[in-house]
Amino acid sequence: GENVEQHPSTLSVQEGDSAVIKCTYSDSASNYFPWYKQELGKRPQLIIDIRSNVGEKKDQRIAVTLNKTAKHFSLHITETQPEDSAVYFCAASIAGNEKLTFGTGTRLTIIP
Amino acid sequence: DAGITQSPRYKITETGRQVTLMCHQTWSHSYMFWYRQDLGHGLRLIYYSAAADITDKGEVPDGYVVSRSKTENFPLTLESATRSQTSVYFCASRAGQGEKLFFGSGTQLSVL
Repeated sequence: GENVEQHPSTLSVQEGDSAVIKCTYSDSASNYFPWYKQELGKRPQLIIDIRSNVGEKKDQRIAVTLNKTAKHFSLHITETQPEDSAVYFCAASIAGNEKLTFGTGTRLTIIP
Repeated sequence: DAGITQSPRYKITETGRQVTLMCHQTWSHSYMFWYRQDLGHGLRLIYYSAAADITDKGEVPDGYVVSRSKTENFPLTLESATRSQTSVYFCASRAGQGEKLFFGSGTQLSVL
C-alpha cells in the first residue's frame, strides 16, 4: 500500500516569512494529493489539493507543488501570519482507490 | 462542516467495556471512514466503507467493528476497550474516489 512521509515534524518561522513542508509518497500510481490544516482541538480541514496532471496550484498565500518523477510534493505558505499556526497533514490517494494515506503531520508555529 | 456529525464528543470508559462511537452524514456520500489520531502517528485508517453493507479494513482494524446498514450512518464499536485505544477518533466522508474528504468534529476517547 501507499506510504507517505512528511518533514519536518515541527517548524517555527518568524511572522511574515515563508514556510515549506515536504512529503514523499511511495506508490507512483497515486494521483491525488491534499493538504489539511488542523487547529488545536479542531477537525482537520482541507486547505488545498492537487492532482497528478498539474505541477503547481496556488490559492492566495498557499501553494502546492508536485514532482511526480521524484514522488514528492510540498506545501508553501508565504507571508505567514499567527493564524497559520496549526498542524498540517499531507495525504496521497492511489488512482481508483478511495482511501487516503496521511503523513504524520507538521506542527507549524508562527513567531510574532 | 455540519454535514458530518459525531457523537459523543468526549467519552470515558473502563477497560473491557464495549463502546460505540456514532457518525452521521447528510450529504449522501458513498464513502465513509474512521481514523484514529495519536501523537507521532498522524491519522491512521481503522475501517472504511464504500457503500451501505460494504466495509473493509484499514491500517489498524484490530479490536474494532463497524457496520453500515444505512448510507448516512457508520458506527464504530470497540468490543472490549483497551488502554491502547485511548485516542481521538475522526469519522470522515467523501462523495467518490479522488473527491474531497470531509471530517467530523472528532470523539476524544479515554480508556481507564
